[in-house]
Amino acid sequence: AQSVSQHNHHVILSEAASLELGCNYSYGGTVNLFWYVQYPGQHLQLLLKYFSGDPLVKGIKGFEAEFIKSKFSFNLRKPSVQWSDTAEYFCAVNADSGTYKYIFGTGTRLKVLA
Amino acid sequence: NAGVMQNPRHLVRRRGQEARLRCSPVKGHSHVYWYRQLPEEGLKFMVYLQKENIIDESGMPKERFSAEFPKEGPSILRIQQVVRGDSAAYFCASLESTTDTQYFGPGTRLTVL
Repeated sequence: AQSVSQHNHHVILSEAASLELGCNYSYGGTVNLFWYVQYPGQHLQLLLKYFSGDPLVKGIKGFEAEFIKSKFSFNLRKPSVQWSDTAEYFCAVNADSGTYKYIFGTGTRLKVLA
Repeated sequence: NAGVMQNPRHLVRRRGQEARLRCSPVKGHSHVYWYRQLPEEGLKFMVYLQKENIIDESGMPKERFSAEFPKEGPSILRIQQVVRGDSAAYFCASLESTTDTQYFGPGTRLTVL
């Protein structure tokens, strides 16, 4: 069965610090990968996604993620965080095999200190 | 993704009552997902629907829960005889088929007293 692990449940950073949030999945086949963000009081929004091609994906608000197939990872990065990046971040996987299920990780709560 | 509407945003029910959650997808989208989010947990897939058709309901509890997406009108997630353990945030997502991207609604927070 597919699963998604986000190892960091809570992360606290100061503004301008660099960010990397881990995401690992378990599925041997082709996958589609997503990062969603949920700002306080708001609904989930898509940050970026990977289907195929360049494994380094750039998303909105300066975020990027790198798909490393050999490590089953899709880590999210941002070189310099801002206070407004305080939110919860979810990694999600969809097996590209006709299944319709999207499996979400448990989320990482990021707090950026001004 | 502001096009995905869910109502009500907050719903309070007593044990044994019925809860009806509604989701209107982005205009033109004909696929809807329902997820449940418990405190400190991620989103758990419940059901995937196409208009007038349930595609995958493997995440739905076997009893008391049902979902539909009629030809006209919103998708409905129905929980009969609610129990305290049903208290959670329920999110609906509308699928843009051409890009395989889900757009989420604001969620309905169900509280069972």
